Amino acid sequence: DVVMTQSPLSLPVTLGQPASISCKSSQSLVHSGGNTYLSWFQQRPGQSPRRLIYKVSNRDSGVPDRFSGSGSGTDFTLKISRVETEDVGFYYCLQGTHWPKTFGQGTKVEIK
Amino acid sequence: EEQLVESGGNLVQPGGSLRLSCAASGFTFRNYWMSWVRQAPGKGLEWVAIINDDGGKKYYLDSVKGRFTISRDNAKSSLHLQMDSLRVEDTAVYYCGREEYGGPDYWGQGTLVTVSS
Repeated sequence: DVVMTQSPLSLPVTLGQPASISCKSSQSLVHSGGNTYLSWFQQRPGQSPRRLIYKVSNRDSGVPDRFSGSGSGTDFTLKISRVETEDVGFYYCLQGTHWPKTFGQGTKVEIK
Repeated sequence: EEQLVESGGNLVQPGGSLRLSCAASGFTFRNYWMSWVRQAPGKGLEWVAIINDDGGKKYYLDSVKGRFTISRDNAKSSLHLQMDSLRVEDTAVYYCGREEYGGPDYWGQGTLVTVSS
């Protein structure tokens, strides 16, 4: 199975400051069809997960543009340009290229 | 508006069975792959199973293969997860998700399955 390794696992941030989460896969996530199926999800306390980013860098509808995704191959990053109070929660990466699909361990974002 | 509503979660003894359901609305259900993802108490997300749009292809997490069966009824816009031979480690909130571009773009609110004696 593809192992997804996120870092850091805990990320205290100051309001208005940027934040960055890394996600590394144990194998390339480039699909035979050419797409790279790497997504990012946000889970606020007590809520269901919500997808923010799909195929590495595409924002889902309604996602603020302070969220951005980048990367390629085995190395991916989620960036929040200016953290707001509503961004507190857990963030997960997911690879959808290989079966079984696998999530990263999760990164807890909190306000300092 | 796209909506997914899970049901069927309950307390069950080890070795028992449960059938989860997910009612979909607000989109053309038969056009989408659908999946189940679970989250054990205080833990991260774990992908469980996926089914293609016509029900002909199914993939499972190794630890549930042979015990769980994913199915769908496109006429009723519903997704199911039959869970047999349940283990304590299957305790989790189970979410259904609509698949698009390699991951769930819409999620339900989840249903809690507790396996305990």
